Amino acid sequence: DAGVTQSPTHLIKTRGQQVTLRCSPKSGHDTVSWYQQALGQGPQFIFQYYEEEERQRGNFPDRFSGHQFPNYSSELNVNALLLGDSALYLCASSPARSYEQYFGPGTRLTVT
Amino acid sequence: QKEVEQDPGPLSVPEGAIVSLNCTYSNSAFQYFMWYRQYSRKGPELLMYTYSSGNKEDGRFTAQVDKSSKYISLFIRDSQPSDSATYLCASDRGSTLGRLYFGRGTQLTVWP
Repeated sequence: DAGVTQSPTHLIKTRGQQVTLRCSPKSGHDTVSWYQQALGQGPQFIFQYYEEEERQRGNFPDRFSGHQFPNYSSELNVNALLLGDSALYLCASSPARSYEQYFGPGTRLTVT
Repeated sequence: QKEVEQDPGPLSVPEGAIVSLNCTYSNSAFQYFMWYRQYSRKGPELLMYTYSSGNKEDGRFTAQVDKSSKYISLFIRDSQPSDSATYLCASDRGSTLGRLYFGRGTQLTVWP
C-alpha cells in the first residue's frame, strides 16, 4: 500500500515566479491538507481539501491556492514567490472527519 | 502566543535512558493530541495519538495528556540510537478536524 506521495522532491525557483506542487493521498483517504515547514519550525497549516473544495484555510495569503481532483489527488500553487516561501511543503492525507493525518516526504522549495 | 509551545532542545541522552518530551498548549478547545517523529529531511510520521486527558502506551512509548494544566508528554523507555529524530507534538480542535497545530519540535539524539 503506497503511502502519501509528493512531487517533485526538490525545486528551485526565482523570486516572482509561480510553482505547482503535487500530492497523491494514501489509498482510502479522501481529505488532503497542506502544510509549510520552515527550517527549525513545526509545520504550519495552509489549507485542507475535501470533495474537491477548500474546507479550511490557515493564515496564508491568497498567493497560496490549491485544487483537489476527483481521484483525491491535490495541487498546491504559489504565485509571486518570495524568498520567505522557501520551506518544506508537506502534504497530509486522512479519511474524512478523522484527526489521523499521514504525511508525505515533502517538497523542498528554494526561492532565490 | 503560539497555540502549542515546545522546547526545541537539543536533547542528548545515552542509549537505554528514559526520555521525556513535553509541550504546552493554550487553546482549551483542543481535544486530540498527537506525537509525530520526523527524521532529517523527511516528512513527519505519526507515532501516537490520544483523545482528551489520560495515558496511552505503545511499546516503548507512552503519551500523556493533562488537560487541566494543558500539558502534553511523550516518554520513551529504553531509548535507542534509531530514536534519534525530531519529535513534534500537535493538537486538533475536533470542531475543525484535520487542522493540526504543531509545536516547533524537539531534536533528540540518543548516543550509543
